[in-house]
Amino acid sequence: QVQLMQSGAEVKQPGASLKVSCKTSGFSFSNYYIHWVRQAPGHGLEWMGVIDPSGGSTTYTQTLKGRVTMTMDTSTSTVFMQLNSLTSEDTALYYCVRERYMGDGYISPGGYWGQGTLVTVSS
Amino acid sequence: DIQMTQSPSTLSASVGDRVAITCRASQNISSWLTWYQQRPGRVPEALIYRASTLVSGVPSRFSGSGSGTKFTLTISSLQPDDFATYYCQKYDSYPYTFGQGTNLDIK
Repeated sequence: QVQLMQSGAEVKQPGASLKVSCKTSGFSFSNYYIHWVRQAPGHGLEWMGVIDPSGGSTTYTQTLKGRVTMTMDTSTSTVFMQLNSLTSEDTALYYCVRERYMGDGYISPGGYWGQGTLVTVSS
Repeated sequence: DIQMTQSPSTLSASVGDRVAITCRASQNISSWLTWYQQRPGRVPEALIYRASTLVSGVPSRFSGSGSGTKFTLTISSLQPDDFATYYCQKYDSYPYTFGQGTNLDIK
């Protein structure tokens, strides 16, 4: 079945960089876009960006542009999200999310979610 | 970028009540809207896609309506499991912005 397995919790210092992995299984890696979504403690969901595993093209939210990079490793069916110049405002639960193709041919963008990776930025 | 605004931010209701949550887009997004439920400590789960189509397995007491800039999620008869936070998300084009969420709690 579809699985998105994320790397473990991390504690980072302000100014450091973060790289979260999302290892996928149970489907053809190149056929489905993978999104990243984050949620600060007690706050709502924030869409960060998306990667197309068929070629590696990416689109990022403007609010993070310049700090976020999404990459992939097709040999392990894994996507990565790197965030640089961390501040306390980047403390959040980070999710990778796969689109789901529904029976009627349309897409549900948030069909499958990883378990989340808790990132704490603190000195 | 298109902004998504949900109302109310908090909604208090009782088991058996009918409730409605509104999501407004700052520009026309046609029917490219999805709704999620998030229970405390859990990942979000998709309820509705394309504004009004129920995801398989989601109880029929949930329904979605609207198009263009105004959308509504309705729960016809609240059950104990339904007390959670609900989010809308646009997906007509990037960025796939979320609404700020509606916390549905027990009155």
